[in-house]
Amino acid sequence: DQQVKQNSPSLSVQEGRISILNCDYTNSMFDYFLWYKKYPAEGPTFLISISSIKDKNEDGRFTVFLNKSAKHLSLHIVPSQPGDSAVYFCAASGSAGNNRKLIWGLGTSLAVNP
Amino acid sequence: SAVISQKPSRDICQRGTSLTIQCQVDSQVTMMFWYRQQPGQSLTLIATANQGSEATYESGFVIDKFPISRPNLTFSTLTVSNMSPEDSSIYLCSGQTGPYEQYFGPGTRLTVT
Repeated sequence: DQQVKQNSPSLSVQEGRISILNCDYTNSMFDYFLWYKKYPAEGPTFLISISSIKDKNEDGRFTVFLNKSAKHLSLHIVPSQPGDSAVYFCAASGSAGNNRKLIWGLGTSLAVNP
Repeated sequence: SAVISQKPSRDICQRGTSLTIQCQVDSQVTMMFWYRQQPGQSLTLIATANQGSEATYESGFVIDKFPISRPNLTFSTLTVSNMSPEDSSIYLCSGQTGPYEQYFGPGTRLTVT
């Protein structure tokens, strides 16, 4: 049972344009969401997060939007750069006890073309 | 944040042998975790490494196969025991400094022949 779903395994975007990566979740107990970026042969790198009490969090070129009613979040990268080409993982966590562990999506491979 | 190192970075091992992976954090972290990432898959949590006590294993993972130690707040080891080709994977260590964010090491790429 995949509690965190990234339905697009890959995405290709032109340099300078916006990249939108989507993530859906099923567990209403999740109240904190994170995005990680992973290059080949490296560990995941924390990118940005959002608490369920917010609907938007912005950090430079990266913005995460959360729609709690739809159980959906998205990561926007604008403008996209070739160095953004990587696999992006969405992860979710609850706030209590064992729910603190991160539940991961399968990832979306982003290719930004020059 | 935290900087996490792992060693070895990669290894090729024979079936039936064991490999111990080390994870070092540059600062104290509240929690440490061990993950596995098989080709084309997401990250699967193996266990939470508890300082001074037995690790907490996820469903499908057992201590006899994946013994874990965490003698202090900045160091942990994972042993993959009695290896088979199905254990070929990337093994990742992470440290958690706040309530949610985890920071990862570069991973150990294990190939079992």
